[in-house]
Amino acid sequence: QKEVEQNSGPLSVPEGAIASLNCTYSDRGSQSFFWYRQYSGKSPELIMSIYSNGDKEDGRFTAQLNKASQYVSLLIRDSQPSDSATYLCAGHQAGTALIFGKGTTLSVSS
Amino acid sequence: KAGVTQTPRYLIKTRGQQVTLSCSPISGHRSVSWYQQTPGQGLQFLFEYFSETQRNKGNFPGRFSGRQFSNSRSEMNVSTLELGDSALYLCASSFGIADNEQFFGPGTRLTVL
Repeated sequence: QKEVEQNSGPLSVPEGAIASLNCTYSDRGSQSFFWYRQYSGKSPELIMSIYSNGDKEDGRFTAQLNKASQYVSLLIRDSQPSDSATYLCAGHQAGTALIFGKGTTLSVSS
Repeated sequence: KAGVTQTPRYLIKTRGQQVTLSCSPISGHRSVSWYQQTPGQGLQFLFEYFSETQRNKGNFPGRFSGRQFSNSRSEMNVSTLELGDSALYLCASSFGIADNEQFFGPGTRLTVL
């Protein structure tokens, strides 16, 4: 069964630090990966997508993909209390459904 | 551009009843996917529609069904509701088959008593 695994956390970091969120996936055919942020009581919000090995940067966010190791990560630089949320990792293979991990809860303390 | 809209936002039903949820995708998006989210199971895929055709289906019983209309709007139906169907039902839309970025609506919170 295709799976996306995430450490549920909580991951606690102080304000201004780098938060590192990790995700592994079982399906070697997965080609696209996504990070969503979900605040309590809200729906998931897409923050990053990555399709190729390496790093992709967008503002304070950097997504990293290593297909050989079946590993995806999200780095949040200069973490803010407003970054406190659950972060969902998802993987996709063409023609199949998007598979989500159960999410990592991030807590940024001021 | 307006986002994904879902109606109703909240529903309370009793066991044995049926319910229909509606989703209007972002203008121009032709693919709609439905998910069930519960604290214990996380986000679980229900089904995906593109151009009125079901492309993928998750591992849910036949009580869960859906459809998509020619204007890309989608509905999902749950018949013979069970207590365990209480969840947040999320709809997500994407531009097309090749475009995998999905954007979620606010969800419908279903409570089954």
